[in-house]
Amino acid sequence: TQLLEQSPQFLSIQEGENLTVYCNSSSVFSSLQWYRQEPGEGPVLLVTVVTGGEVKKLKRLTFQFGDARKDSSLHITAAQPGDTGLYLCAGAGGGRGSTLGRLYFGRGTQLTVWP
Amino acid sequence: SQTIHQWPATLVQPVGSPLSLECTVEGTSNPNLYWYRQAAGRGLQLLFYSIGIGQISSEVPQNLSASRPQDRQFILSSKKLLLSDSGFYLCAGRRGTGSSYGYTFGSGTRLTVV
Repeated sequence: TQLLEQSPQFLSIQEGENLTVYCNSSSVFSSLQWYRQEPGEGPVLLVTVVTGGEVKKLKRLTFQFGDARKDSSLHITAAQPGDTGLYLCAGAGGGRGSTLGRLYFGRGTQLTVWP
Repeated sequence: SQTIHQWPATLVQPVGSPLSLECTVEGTSNPNLYWYRQAAGRGLQLLFYSIGIGQISSEVPQNLSASRPQDRQFILSSKKLLLSDSGFYLCAGRRGTGSSYGYTFGSGTRLTVV
């Protein structure tokens, strides 16, 4: 059973277009992270959102945490070829899960931006 | 800041041979450490995690084992590799405290069992 569902699984767009990736769950998370992974490399942490309804911006990337802390979205404005990669969301559990540092990963969205 | 070192970057091993992948951590002490396997560039499967020296928890029964002989060293092993052990292995360390935490990942090891 996958705790976090990401959609779409694949996204292929032209440079300059906007896009949104979704990360949904029926579980509540104490925080949620987004990572980007390039081929042959480990994922790199982009952002952590903690508060329900929180919005964070990282240049052309906007991250939002749902009010109920069950879902999140990543919006990219004017996508560039350098944005190409696998985007993974990960939820952090509270309580003992927080002590153990467990993260529950979605399967990822593979984004390709064509020049 | 925390840095995770993994080696080797790629490895081709015959079926039945032993395996030892090493992960070392710089920049933090007593970190929580994790071994993940990633199939075909997709989702991450948690294999083992460790909250301290000699403390290993396994998530999935399998042909692999893990050890933490030192605070900043985490080792993934197998006595006899199977074809199904092929994959991309990632070591990660926890960064941050409380409920606002994330991972720093190493650059991974691509293992091909032939």
